[in-house]
Amino acid sequence: DGGITQSPKYLFRKEGQNVTLSCEQNLNHDAMYWYRQDPGQGLRLIYYSQIVNDFQKGDIAEGYSVSREKKESFPLTVTSAQKNPTAFYLCASSPAGWTQYFGPGTRLLVL
Amino acid sequence: DQQVKQNSPSLSVQEGRISILNCDYTNSMFDYFLWYKKYPAEGPTFLISISSIKDKNEDGRFTVFLNKSAKHLSLHIVPSQPGDSAVYFCAASVYGNKLVFGAGTILRVKS
Repeated sequence: DGGITQSPKYLFRKEGQNVTLSCEQNLNHDAMYWYRQDPGQGLRLIYYSQIVNDFQKGDIAEGYSVSREKKESFPLTVTSAQKNPTAFYLCASSPAGWTQYFGPGTRLLVL
Repeated sequence: DQQVKQNSPSLSVQEGRISILNCDYTNSMFDYFLWYKKYPAEGPTFLISISSIKDKNEDGRFTVFLNKSAKHLSLHIVPSQPGDSAVYFCAASVYGNKLVFGAGTILRVKS
């Protein structure tokens, strides 16, 4: 089955801890994206990558980091510098732009 | 600066009737528009899209209308079904690059 998987479904972070959210796709899409959704708000772009070994900051990149070493994988690290990390995180992919397809999401909670 | 606005936070419609969801945008460079449907704690599902060279696109019960002069698009769902109850996001992009999302409209279809 082709699709986008995100893990874990729920993630808990302690103060001062870095955590990494996984995103994998087997759709052979070139571009991948990370969004954050807060209650009552739309999706805001954190980082995106249009090709392997290259990525760009989105609108709210501070406190986050990414890597794109493989076409299929685009992990997101939420660093201790992100002071308000509690949110629903969504990964998406698309064939060289245009329509983006989303994974099921990871909910990050702070202990 | 909200470039994509969904001014109605919620909409309630009777089953079998038409649902009309609206979206306004400010950036005249946007050339591709999409609608996504989202259930709680899940990733958004792509519904329908429209290019700026068109003013209408249909897919089954879903039709999207684009009025470029008014910078307005709308999604029509006919007939509405209880399973359509969800949050609907409109999104826009320039040349298929990163999407800008509206805040979403909650649709409730009553049976």
